[in-house]
Amino acid sequence: DGGITQSPKYLFRKEGQNVTLSCEQNLNHDAMYWYRQDPGQGLRLIYYSQIVNDFQKGDIAEGYSVSREKKESFPLTVTSAQKNPTAFYLCASSAALQGLSPLHFGNGTRLTVT
Amino acid sequence: LAKTTQPISMDSYEGQEVNITCSHNNIATNDYITWYQQFPSQGPRFIIQGYKTKVTNEVASLFIPADRKSSTLSLPRVSLSDTAVYYCLVGGYTGGFKTIFGAGTRLFVKA
Repeated sequence: DGGITQSPKYLFRKEGQNVTLSCEQNLNHDAMYWYRQDPGQGLRLIYYSQIVNDFQKGDIAEGYSVSREKKESFPLTVTSAQKNPTAFYLCASSAALQGLSPLHFGNGTRLTVT
Repeated sequence: LAKTTQPISMDSYEGQEVNITCSHNNIATNDYITWYQQFPSQGPRFIIQGYKTKVTNEVASLFIPADRKSSTLSLPRVSLSDTAVYYCLVGGYTGGFKTIFGAGTRLFVKA
């Protein structure tokens, strides 16, 4: 089955450490996205990528970094500069830029930083 | 940027039709309207997408008036499993990619 795989499902880190969240898709989609969701709130866009080796900042990119070396992979690094990293992180992909084709989401990684 | 406004929560009973309205006064010409459903600890799932007038699929209908400043998601004959958060998304590529997720509407379906 085609889809988005995020790993791990739960991740725990100590404050001050960088951590990388994995996102892999086998849908052959060009566009990939990272969102952050805080309890009881909507999704906020962190980064997005339209094509390999290209990515753009979303609304809340500070303290995060990404790479897009392969079409199927879009890892997100939460750096120590992110002031409130504890959240639910969602990766998504779409055949084309959002608004022209639906988003397909993974089931998220819940990151807890203490 | 087209911000969206939805009711925070709604209650319904099994078998009823549920209509959730989303306001998006500043929608841009190139923006599409998309609705997603999210269960706890899962990623959102696409329900329906439209640009204008009415769109219907096997699970829902989407009504968009001519001015496109609002849209209504209609769920026919809801069941307990429809209890979830529903998000209205307005987005597109209008010279600078931005996406706005509404705060979501928590629908609770009772027996």
